[in-house]
Amino acid sequence: AQRVTQPEKLLSVFKGAPVELKCNYSYSGSPELFWYVQYSRQRLQLLLRHISRESIKGFTADLNKGETSFHLKKPFAQEEDSAMYYCALGIRGTSGSRLTFGEGTQLTVNP
Amino acid sequence: KAGVTQTPRYLIKTRGQQVTLSCSPISGHRSVSWYQQTPGQGLQFLFEYFSETQRNKGNFPGRFSGRQFSNSRSEMNVSTLELGDSALYLCASTLIATANTGELFFGEGSRLTVL
Repeated sequence: AQRVTQPEKLLSVFKGAPVELKCNYSYSGSPELFWYVQYSRQRLQLLLRHISRESIKGFTADLNKGETSFHLKKPFAQEEDSAMYYCALGIRGTSGSRLTFGEGTQLTVNP
Repeated sequence: KAGVTQTPRYLIKTRGQQVTLSCSPISGHRSVSWYQQTPGQGLQFLFEYFSETQRNKGNFPGRFSGRQFSNSRSEMNVSTLELGDSALYLCASTLIATANTGELFFGEGSRLTVL
């Protein structure tokens, strides 16, 4: 069975500091990895997905199949980055849409 | 265009009762999935519907059921409510439903409290 682990429930950094939110997954097949974000009083929304290999709001994430990780990184954190971040795993090629989410990391960026 | 709409937003029930939650997906989206969010368990997949058919089901007891209508609107039902069913129930719709590369668009959720 697939599993997603986010080891840090809480992460606090200062504005301008680098930030890395860790995500490890367990799945032997071809995974699809996503980062979703929930800002205060807003809906859960997609931040980025590994197949796009894009940078969104300065965030990047690289899929490391050897280490089964998909860590989210940003070189210079901003206060508006404070939010709940969820790493999610989908299974490529299966019929249907089903994501396995990690428990989330609450990021606080202090001024 | 309008986002995913869930009703009701808040509701309180007592143990043993049943509840029905509704979800209207984004226009054109045919896949609707449901998730339960609790502080202890996080986000857990309940089920997914596409073209009125359940295509995926999570590890929840049979008390949790759902359906999808021809207009893609979906409902989920929980019967014989237990205290542990208290949670935020999130609905999500997606345009691409053949493989997990589609973006899920979430509603604001229905917060259920069971007393």
